[in-house]
Amino acid sequence: ILNVEQSPQSLHVQEGDSTNFTCSFPSSNFYALHWYRWETAKSPEALFVMTLNGDEKKKGRISATLNTKEGYSYLYIKGSQPEDSATYLCAFMLRDTGRRALTFGSGTRLQVQP
Amino acid sequence: DSGVTQTPKHLITATGQRVTLRCSPRSGDLSVYWYQQSLDQGLQFLIQYYNGEERAKGNILERFSAQQFPDLHSELNLSSLELGDSALYFCASSIHDRGNNYGYTFGSGTRLTVV
Repeated sequence: ILNVEQSPQSLHVQEGDSTNFTCSFPSSNFYALHWYRWETAKSPEALFVMTLNGDEKKKGRISATLNTKEGYSYLYIKGSQPEDSATYLCAFMLRDTGRRALTFGSGTRLQVQP
Repeated sequence: DSGVTQTPKHLITATGQRVTLRCSPRSGDLSVYWYQQSLDQGLQFLIQYYNGEERAKGNILERFSAQQFPDLHSELNLSSLELGDSALYFCASSIHDRGNNYGYTFGSGTRLTVV
C-alpha cells in the first residue's frame, strides 16, 4: 500500500506567525502532487498542482515546493490569519495506468488564534 | 457552488438497506471520482470513471458499485449497509482522467448515517 504522510497532524499558531507543513510520498513512479485546503463544513478546494521536481507555486501568502527525488513537498503560510484555519491535504498520483486517482494524506489541521 | 452537484446531502437509513448516491460533475469534466471519509479517517479513494468507463478502483467493498451514465453523471450504489458504512461520501470531477492543472473539483458531499 502506497501512502502519503503529512506532519504535523495539527498546529495551533498565533495570528501573524508563519508556518509550514510537510508531505512525504513515494518518490518512484511519481506523476503529480496536489495540495488542497479543507474548511470545516465545506468541500476540499485545490490550492496547487505540481508535477516537476523543483516546482514552486505561490498563491498570495501561501506557497509550496516539490522535491520528487526524495519524495517530499512543503506548504508555507506567511503571516497566518484566522481565515487560514483549515485542514490542509496533500495528495499524490502515480504514473501507473491503474493508479490514476489521487491518494490523499490525513491532513494537517491548522488553527490560527487571533 | 463548485459546479459539482451531489444529492442527497443527508441520508439516514437502516442496516441491511440499499442506497444510491448521485453526482453530476462540473460542466465539461469527463472524469468522476468517489471518495469516502469515515470518522477520524482521511479521504479514501473508492472508484473513478472517465467518459463512462471505469478507470481505477480503490478500496471499494464488493457491496458497493458505481457507474457513469452517457450524460456523465455518476451513481454510487451501497447495499447491505452496515453501521461502519456511515461516512461522508464525496464526489469530485476533472476534465482529464489524470486531473488537470487545477486539481479536482469536489462536491459538497453526502452524509450517510446507517442506524
